[in-house]
Amino acid sequence: GDSVTQMEGPVTLSEEAFLTINCTYTATGYPSLFWYVQYPGEGLQLLLKATKADDKGSNKGFEATYRKETTSFHLEKGSVQVSDSAVYFCALYSSASKIIFGSGTRLSIRP
Amino acid sequence: DAGVTQSPTHLIKTRGQHVTLRCSPISGHKSVSWYQQVLGQGPQFIFQYYEKEERGRGNFPDRFSARQFPNYSSELNVNALLLGDSALYLCASSLGSSQETQYFGPGTRLLVL
Repeated sequence: GDSVTQMEGPVTLSEEAFLTINCTYTATGYPSLFWYVQYPGEGLQLLLKATKADDKGSNKGFEATYRKETTSFHLEKGSVQVSDSAVYFCALYSSASKIIFGSGTRLSIRP
Repeated sequence: DAGVTQSPTHLIKTRGQHVTLRCSPISGHKSVSWYQQVLGQGPQFIFQYYEKEERGRGNFPDRFSARQFPNYSSELNVNALLLGDSALYLCASSLGSSQETQYFGPGTRLLVL
């Protein structure tokens, strides 16, 4: 069945460092891909998405490119801020009309 | 416009009890999905409802049930609670049954003692 595998955490970086969180998927066909973010004490928020191969999703300085050759959707940000500290989930929209999530990566940014 | 709302925010129950969680979707959204998020893991799909009908079901026992009302709000019911049911229960709404973008509520945190 469909699945998502993402980089284990926690990830700790200094402010202004470059961020990469790896995500790969297994799916039938070419599902839409998402990154969701969960800030402390809050619900899940859609961060960005990409609906087809080679699409780049972007929001708030974060980017991810849909790579069908490597079945990957890695999240990147050039310069992280303390306010980016959160748990990040890679996800895909499966043919069964449900979202399948990875296990999450906790990111902590030091001032 | 209000986002997805869920009630209650927190709940404590004991093993064997029953619980009902409630969700109101974004105005105009007709589909509601339920997810269970155990601490330290990603959310797991439980149900999807659209126009009051069940459109999808995840790998959860029959103790879990749900329904959707004419105003598109939804309830998730869990019978015979187990310790392992302790989790954050998330509701998500979308415009239609096959809409990919789902908007999540803040969740109900259930603790089973």
